[in-house]
Parts: sequence; structure tokens; C-alpha cells
Amino acid sequence: DSGVTQTPKHLITATGQRVTLRCSPRSGDLSVYWYQQSLDQGLQFLIQYYNGEERAKGNILERFSAQQFPDLHSELNLSSLELGDSALYFCASRTGTDEKLFFGSGTQLSVL
Amino acid sequence: TQLLEQSPQFLSIQEGENLTVYCNSSSVFSSLQWYRQEPGEGPVLLVTVVTGGEVKKLKRLTFQFGDARKDSSLHITAAQPGDTGLYLCAGARATDSWGKFQFGAGTQVVVTP
Repeated sequence: DSGVTQTPKHLITATGQRVTLRCSPRSGDLSVYWYQQSLDQGLQFLIQYYNGEERAKGNILERFSAQQFPDLHSELNLSSLELGDSALYFCASRTGTDEKLFFGSGTQLSVL
Repeated sequence: TQLLEQSPQFLSIQEGENLTVYCNSSSVFSSLQWYRQEPGEGPVLLVTVVTGGEVKKLKRLTFQFGDARKDSSLHITAAQPGDTGLYLCAGARATDSWGKFQFGAGTQVVVTP
């Protein structure tokens, strides 16, 4: 158990809809990362937050947004969903003082 | 184009054989990490290499960081079925913000009894 909790584990929705994925980092970790994993693209970095502030941005679509709350949990919002958004979405956390990333078990998103 | 190129994409070997997985880039990295991912789970960190030329051993796994900090390799000796998984290398470029970790596409390793 990595200590990183992601909910829900599975999500099935329709095109055009909006969903929210939730992540609770390991106790004490200030930094949260979001990644998207698909068969053809591999593990793609989306965005990183540190102590509530956005720190780094990757290949995140404008339809996607994220935030980190004062209690350090994070949410990834995906809107106007398309079939191609179907993927595994992972959250990872790190302490901020070393470079070890701890991943949650992911949310499997299926857009039908 | 992937920042980190991993090869081979897929490797199938028999129990007891040795294997090597490569991770290459044209960029310099402050450090590189290796992860193993099993189906339905998130990647799990195996090792972090920091110094150019560094070699780290983890039981039957040997990790090497290139002298120029642009590449790395993972060697498994006497592979076992439990070594089956997707091996991913990851890192943050020396020129990127400290948080921007990116991953290679991975090498799928299958070890058959």
C-alpha cells in the first residue's frame, strides 16, 4: 500500500459529460502529481501541485483542470469528455525533499 | 516524441535467463528513476540514480546511470516469473522545474517458468 488513495477506482460515463477524480496524498506529502496512462501514449504527465499551488504543467488539455485544497487532497476535473479520454488516471505524491514518487492505484475512466 | 526512449518495448524470456532494459535521452537529467508496474496498479519505485556513472544493486537487479546522465540501464540476473511487469524509467530534466517528472513508454517484461 503506497499510502496514496484515489477514488473512484472505476468510472463509466458518456461523451460530453464532466467527471471529478479525487486523490489523497500520503500523510505529510505536500506535492501531488497527475498522470494519464493509455496504451498508445504511455504514462503522460498532466500537472503538479505543491502545497496548494500549481508548480508544473505537462500535456494537460484545456478541458481538464486540477486543484489542490488546504488539506492537501487534490481533484482532477475532466469536462466535455471524448472517447479518447478513456484511460487510467494516476495520482502520485512526494514529500518535496526527495524525488520518490508514490502512486495510487489509479482511476479507470471509460467514456462511452 | 518521448523525452525518454525505452528499449526494447517488449521482452519475453524464460526463467533463469538474464535481461537488460535501456532508457535513453538526448537531455541531461538531474536523476533517473526506475519503476515497475503490474496490471491494475500504479508504478512502484525500484531505485533512484543520481550521480553520473553510478551503479546500484537491488538483489538481482542492477541499475546504471550513464556518465553524461542522459541514459540508464536495468539488468536483471536469473529472471524469475515474479519479475514480470512493465518497467518504466522516469526523470526530471536538469533544465526543467524540479517537479516535472516524465516517464518513458516502458518495457513490458514477461518471464515464463
